[in-house]
Amino acid sequence: GDSVTQMEGPVTLSEEAFLTINCTYTATGYPSLFWYVQYPGEGLQLLLKATKADDKGSNKGFEATYRKETTSFHLEKGSVQVSDSAVYFCALRPPNDYKLSFGAGTTVTVRA
Amino acid sequence: DTGVSQNPRHKITKRGQNVTFRCDPISEHNRLYWYRQTLGQGPEFLTYFQNEAQLEKSRLLSDRFSAERPKGSFSTLEIQRTEQGDSAMYLCASRNEGNQPQHFGDGTRLSIL
Repeated sequence: GDSVTQMEGPVTLSEEAFLTINCTYTATGYPSLFWYVQYPGEGLQLLLKATKADDKGSNKGFEATYRKETTSFHLEKGSVQVSDSAVYFCALRPPNDYKLSFGAGTTVTVRA
Repeated sequence: DTGVSQNPRHKITKRGQNVTFRCDPISEHNRLYWYRQTLGQGPEFLTYFQNEAQLEKSRLLSDRFSAERPKGSFSTLEIQRTEQGDSAMYLCASRNEGNQPQHFGDGTRLSIL
């Protein structure tokens, strides 16, 4: 079945460091891919998405590119802030389907 | 757009009791989803509504679980005879038609004593 594997955490960084969170997926066809962020005590917020191969999603300085050849959707940010501390989830939605399959999440802590 | 609203935010109950959670989706969204999230894991799909019709239920949704969306607006998720393993965050999400992303509420955290 469809699944998402993302880099295990926790990840601890200093402010202004470069962040990468790896995400790979297994799916038939061309799923839509998403990154969601969850701040402490809150629900999930959509961070960015891509719906077809080579699409690049971007938001709030974060970027991820849909790579069909490597079945990956790695999340990157060039200079993190303390406010980026959260849990990040990679997710996919198969074509012609409606439910999301999530990775286990990666906890990111940014220290001043 | 007031977002997806879930109530209560927290529920603590004794094992064996029944609990009911409510989700109010974004007003124009006709698709509604329930997910369960346990500590250290990503959300897992439970069930899906399109308007008032429940179109799919995960095998995670045992006979003790029931979800309704009677008028195609708000939804309720009831757990009967709660067990320790039901302790989790229950998340609701909604979206509009087409290739639109799901918007999540803040969840209801259930703790079983």
